[in-house]
Amino acid sequence: AQSVTQLDSQVPVFEEAPVELRCNYSSSVSVYLFWYVQYPNQGLQLLLKYLSGSTLVKGINGFEAEFNKSQTSFHLRKPSVHISDTAEYFCAVSGADRGSTLGRLYFGRGTQLTVWP
Amino acid sequence: DGGITQSPKYLFRKEGQNVTLSCEQNLNHDAMYWYRQDPGQGLRLIYYSQIVNDFQKGDIAEGYSVSREKKESFPLTVTSAQKNPTAFYLCASSPANQPQHFGDGTRLSIL
Repeated sequence: AQSVTQLDSQVPVFEEAPVELRCNYSSSVSVYLFWYVQYPNQGLQLLLKYLSGSTLVKGINGFEAEFNKSQTSFHLRKPSVHISDTAEYFCAVSGADRGSTLGRLYFGRGTQLTVWP
Repeated sequence: DGGITQSPKYLFRKEGQNVTLSCEQNLNHDAMYWYRQDPGQGLRLIYYSQIVNDFQKGDIAEGYSVSREKKESFPLTVTSAQKNPTAFYLCASSPANQPQHFGDGTRLSIL
C-alpha cells in the first residue's frame, strides 16, 4: 500500500508571501499524484494532478507543484497567497503500476494553510 | 449541472440505530468511493466500487455496509456495530484512471 506524509499540519503565512506545502510519498514503480483543497464543511476540490510528462504541473488559483521522483516528493507552491487561500490542503497518491487498484487514493493527513492580513 | 449530491448534510443518530447516507452522481462515472474524515487524520477509505453490483472493502470497513445497484447511486449504511461513527463522510466518483470528484459531505453526530 502507498502512504503519504504531509510534513506540516499547520502553515501560517502573511498575505502576498510565498508558501510551500510539503508532501512525501512511499516509493512505488510509478504513481499518480494529486493535491486537493478543502474549505470548511465542504468536499474536496482538485487543485492539480501529476499523471505523466512534465514534472512541473500547474493548477488552479495560481498553485503549482513539482514531482521529484528521486526524493519521492510532490510539494505544492504558490508565489503570493491571498486570504481566500485559507483552507486545508491534502496530498494524495495513487499507484500507477499494474498491480495497483486503479483509482485507489491514499491521502495525507492534511495541512491547514492560514493566511493573515 | 453534473455533480455529486450527498444527503443529508447533517445527520443525527441515536445509540444502536443504523443510518444510511445517500450519494448520487450524474457524471456517468463508473467508480464510486466512501471516505471518512476525522480531524487531523485525513481521509480514510471505507468502501469503493468500480462497477455496478461490485464493491470492495477499504481500510476501515468494519461497522459499515454499502450497495451498488445502480451506476449513479452508492449509499452507505453506518450500522450499530460502528462504535465511533461521529465523523464527516465524503463520497467521491471518478471515470477510469482520472481524478476523483467529491460531494459536499455529510456530518454524522451521535445523540
